[in-house]
Amino acid sequence: QVQLVESGGGVVQPGRSLRVSCAASGFPFSVSGMHWVRQAPGKGLEWVAFMSYDGDNEDYADSVRGRFTISRDNSKNTLYLQMNSLRAEDAAVYFCARDGLSSSFDYWGQGTLVLVSS
Amino acid sequence: QSALTQPASVSGSPGQSVTVSCTGTSSDIGKYNLVSWYQQHPGKVPKLIIFEVNKRPSGISTRFSGSKSGNTASLTISGLQAEDEADYYCCSYTGRASRGFGGGTKLTVL
Repeated sequence: QVQLVESGGGVVQPGRSLRVSCAASGFPFSVSGMHWVRQAPGKGLEWVAFMSYDGDNEDYADSVRGRFTISRDNSKNTLYLQMNSLRAEDAAVYFCARDGLSSSFDYWGQGTLVLVSS
Repeated sequence: QSALTQPASVSGSPGQSVTVSCTGTSSDIGKYNLVSWYQQHPGKVPKLIIFEVNKRPSGISTRFSGSKSGNTASLTISGLQAEDEADYYCCSYTGRASRGFGGGTKLTVL
């Protein structure tokens, strides 16, 4: 079955960096577009970033563009999100999600919590 | 990216039908038939229940249906059950690879 397992979350000081990962299994990762979506505590969902199956195309939410970088290693079936210059408002559970039919998110990981605090 | 507008809460009694609206603009919902809906129970992961405005993934109850008119999409849940109590989010494609979510609607089953 499809599994997406995020890791790498934790507490980080404002202005510092953190990289979260998403290990995929149960489907052909190398032909699947992938997203990061976040959810601040008690708040709604916010799309963060996308990467195409081959890494050739990527896109970002305005709120993170220039600070966050999405990447992938198809040989390891793993998606990454490098987060630099972190701000308090970046604190959230970060989910990876597969790009599904008609621009939907058809499978989600359990999420990894990122807290930004001094 | 756009933020879509949803009511903060809706409610209904068991067996009734409720509709959750999702209002966007002519640049997102009005332009693309690429609206999806997600159900999220407290502490759980979002679950896809509707894609491409009105299509259900395998295994999703026929009690869930979607529609769109102009810049507004809607999710209707018929025959309300206690297990339907959850947060519901709409999402629209907005161009390139970006997406916009609604703020979420809390459904209470009375």
